[in-house]
Amino acid sequence: GENVEQHPSTLSVQEGDSAVIKCTYSDSASNYFPWYKQELGKGPQLIIDIRSNVGEKKDQRIAVTLNKTAKHFSLHITETQPEDSAVYFCAAPPGSGTYKYIFGTGTRLKVLA
Amino acid sequence: DVKVTQSSRYLVKRTGEKVFLECVQDMDHENMFWYRQDPGLGLRLIYFSYDVKMKEKGDIPEGYSVSREKKERFSLILESASTNQTSMYLCASSFRLADTGELFFGEGSRLTVL
Repeated sequence: GENVEQHPSTLSVQEGDSAVIKCTYSDSASNYFPWYKQELGKGPQLIIDIRSNVGEKKDQRIAVTLNKTAKHFSLHITETQPEDSAVYFCAAPPGSGTYKYIFGTGTRLKVLA
Repeated sequence: DVKVTQSSRYLVKRTGEKVFLECVQDMDHENMFWYRQDPGLGLRLIYFSYDVKMKEKGDIPEGYSVSREKKERFSLILESASTNQTSMYLCASSFRLADTGELFFGEGSRLTVL
């Protein structure tokens, strides 16, 4: 079955610097890769996603890149701000056409002012 | 906005008690999910429902059951709570035929079993 590994588990950056979180997956049939952000006391919320037919997607300060050959995808946050501090989760479906995602173990990002 | 409401934010129960966690969504979503969140383990799927009265086991269903009698409501049941079920429980919902599989999460129910 699908296995998703996420690194690092914690990440501290200075405000204004960039942050990168990486995930690897095992099922080559997986075709949709979302990233969720969980702020303190709240449920996770989708911030960006990418389908397997594209290599990169951007939305303002956040971007996701996908390398299907190596089976890994990454979240990039540029010009980090204190409000980016949160736990970030990657996810991948076991195969295609399913919504039963396997989540990574999470990355706690701290943006230091 | 989509709203997923979990009825209890914090619960404290004793070992052996029966526990009900309720979740209601207001967007007519077909899919509903119960996840368990533990530090270092991420989110793990307990049960999934794709329609009223339909359910599928997730990755960690042992010790749990679910009920979906109405489309908007999905309940998680711990028949006999144990201390190893102390955790954060997250409910989510999604459209079955959406272009994306975006999950909409509730704010979570933190359960402590003594």
